[in-house]
Amino acid sequence: KAGVTQTPRYLIKTRGQQVTLSCSPISGHRSVSWYQQTPGQGLQFLFEYFSETQRNKGNFPGRFSGRQFSNSRSEMNVSTLELGDSALYLCASSSHRQGVAYEQYFGPGTRLTVT
Amino acid sequence: QKEVEQDPGPLSVPEGAIVSLNCTYSNSAFQYFMWYRQYSRKGPELLMYTYSSGNKEDGRFTAQVDKSSKYISLFIRDSQPSDSATYLCARGDTGGGNKLTFGTGTQLKVEL
Repeated sequence: KAGVTQTPRYLIKTRGQQVTLSCSPISGHRSVSWYQQTPGQGLQFLFEYFSETQRNKGNFPGRFSGRQFSNSRSEMNVSTLELGDSALYLCASSSHRQGVAYEQYFGPGTRLTVT
Repeated sequence: QKEVEQDPGPLSVPEGAIVSLNCTYSNSAFQYFMWYRQYSRKGPELLMYTYSSGNKEDGRFTAQVDKSSKYISLFIRDSQPSDSATYLCARGDTGGGNKLTFGTGTQLKVEL
């Protein structure tokens, strides 16, 4: 089975711009979660999508948003970029059954640099 | 207090040593635990997944959970230079979806 794929792998943007990152989960996985990883804060949960619905949201400002498509692929968007948004953005996919937690598998990440 | 506290690194050991990596957590809701290994500039790779107290073994890796003391550990036997990476513990709960809370990570170096 192919793993989680993320595009693009690297991105350089300037302050004030917006960016869209893409994630394709493992085939058959319906849950997609997004995380931000920085040296100072470590790995922090952004949000989770399941069946095209946001099911969980972390403590990030509204500039961070996402969506999921019917084929389970997901995108996240960051508007009005700030220098502090420079980070590795990771996507994780998981299968799901009600009331049961499954392992989450991460993609390679998109490294975003804001200048 | 952070939800997941992880022993700070870096940790340097000789090849063949037994490595012990530890985390504590503060929330007692039903939960599960994972250990990830992350090489530099790569995404985290799932090593172990467990949700019950006790030990779970997979090759050279053993995950240990003690829910009474809110303590989780990962043991690596016969450590190899290829084990040099950052190890992240994570806890999640099944209430309303998949959300993992991570420790800060322990950087491990296994030296020849």
